[in-house]
Amino acid sequence: GAGVSQSPRYKVAKRGQDVALRCDPISGHVSLFWYQQALGQGPEFLTYFQNEAQLDKSGLPSDRFFAERPEGSVSTLKIQRTQQEDSAVYLCASSIAGGTYNEQFFGPGTRLTVL
Amino acid sequence: GENVEQHPSTLSVQEGDSAVIKCTYSDSASNYFPWYKQELGKGPQLIIDIRSNVGEKKDQRIAVTLNKTAKHFSLHITETQPEDSAVYFCAASKRRSQGNLIFGKGTKLSVKP
Repeated sequence: GAGVSQSPRYKVAKRGQDVALRCDPISGHVSLFWYQQALGQGPEFLTYFQNEAQLDKSGLPSDRFFAERPEGSVSTLKIQRTQQEDSAVYLCASSIAGGTYNEQFFGPGTRLTVL
Repeated sequence: GENVEQHPSTLSVQEGDSAVIKCTYSDSASNYFPWYKQELGKGPQLIIDIRSNVGEKKDQRIAVTLNKTAKHFSLHITETQPEDSAVYFCAASKRRSQGNLIFGKGTKLSVKP
């Protein structure tokens, strides 16, 4: 069956450009998470949505990062004025409901390289 | 906040041997501990998880143990196969949270045929 998909898979941006990363969660999944994974590290939490509501954005590293999920399905992570330190893989995960015990299904990620 | 430490960072075993990866956590409010396998170019995939009210869980060749007092948990893979080669991450999540995971830094497991 269809899993979580992300696009683009690879993105190269020049420093200072804006980028938009898309996540299509599993249909019917209420919860959606964004994580940032630096090279050789574990994923780090960025933000969480329950349906269209962004309930937690405590992991967003700066106000250049913005995420939305306007209709409670597809989500977009936008990074303004990209910096070299933004280079990482951005992972999206969805789960059927919120809460501690629900399995999170991850997409393949978008690898962002900022030159 | 929660901090998850994972060891070793790399592990090389011969096919058929066992592999053990260990993690410690700092926040006693954490009560859910999943393990993820990540292959090159793919997202992490859940392989096994354990809740804090359970000491051990097994699924075929994979087992996880949890010691709440010491705040550590371990992944055990028996009869390793070359297709087990990947990066493994432990993670922790707190009770009554929305479920966001705190990950360890990962262990790169290589199984030599």
